[in-house]
Amino acid sequence: GQQVMQIPQYQHVQEGEDFTTYCNSSTTLSNIQWYKQRPGGHPVFLIQLVKSGEVKKQKRLTFQFGEAKKNSSLHITATQTTDVGTYFCAGPYNNNDMRFGAGTRLTVKP
Amino acid sequence: DAGITQSPRHKVTETGTPVTLRCHQTENHRYMYWYRQDPGHGLRLIHYSYGVKDTDKGEVSDGYSVSRSKTEDFLLTLESATSSQTSVYFCAISARQGPQETQYFGPGTRLLVL
Repeated sequence: GQQVMQIPQYQHVQEGEDFTTYCNSSTTLSNIQWYKQRPGGHPVFLIQLVKSGEVKKQKRLTFQFGEAKKNSSLHITATQTTDVGTYFCAGPYNNNDMRFGAGTRLTVKP
Repeated sequence: DAGITQSPRHKVTETGTPVTLRCHQTENHRYMYWYRQDPGHGLRLIHYSYGVKDTDKGEVSDGYSVSRSKTEDFLLTLESATSSQTSVYFCAISARQGPQETQYFGPGTRLLVL
């Protein structure tokens, strides 16, 4: 079945450092979505990428979708304590079956 | 939060007992989903529904059943709970905003099976 792999599993950074999480699918995706989950909370949608090679920015967050539409990355510039949480990528399998990566848990030391 | 509530929010039960979790939405969304979240596995789809009485299996459906008799309610049942079903369960709806179709999650239910 379709697998969505995400690395690293954990990342601890000093406030102000950059952070990147990577997502790789075993199959080509029609789109990829990114979610953030704060500790004790529920996943919250961040963005969807659809086009090959697409790059989108949200303030300090940069999202990329690979040319082959099988990988993606999320990069945070100059992390802040408010960035703490787990970041998940997700891709659709058979349209309605969304497969999530295991997530990258980000902790930020002030 | 897309008007999604889950009940109960916490549940402790014993192995072999039946458990039903409820997801309620107020915005008439067609698609509803049940996920479980476990450390190291992210979110895994259990079952989903694409309308009243229309449901389908997800990646980890064994040991679970669902029902949707009304648009607003999607029930997840563990017929005979096992310790391996200890998890956090999230309900979600799918909503289209322009070209984007995104999922909105409920607050979750923490289930402990002893």
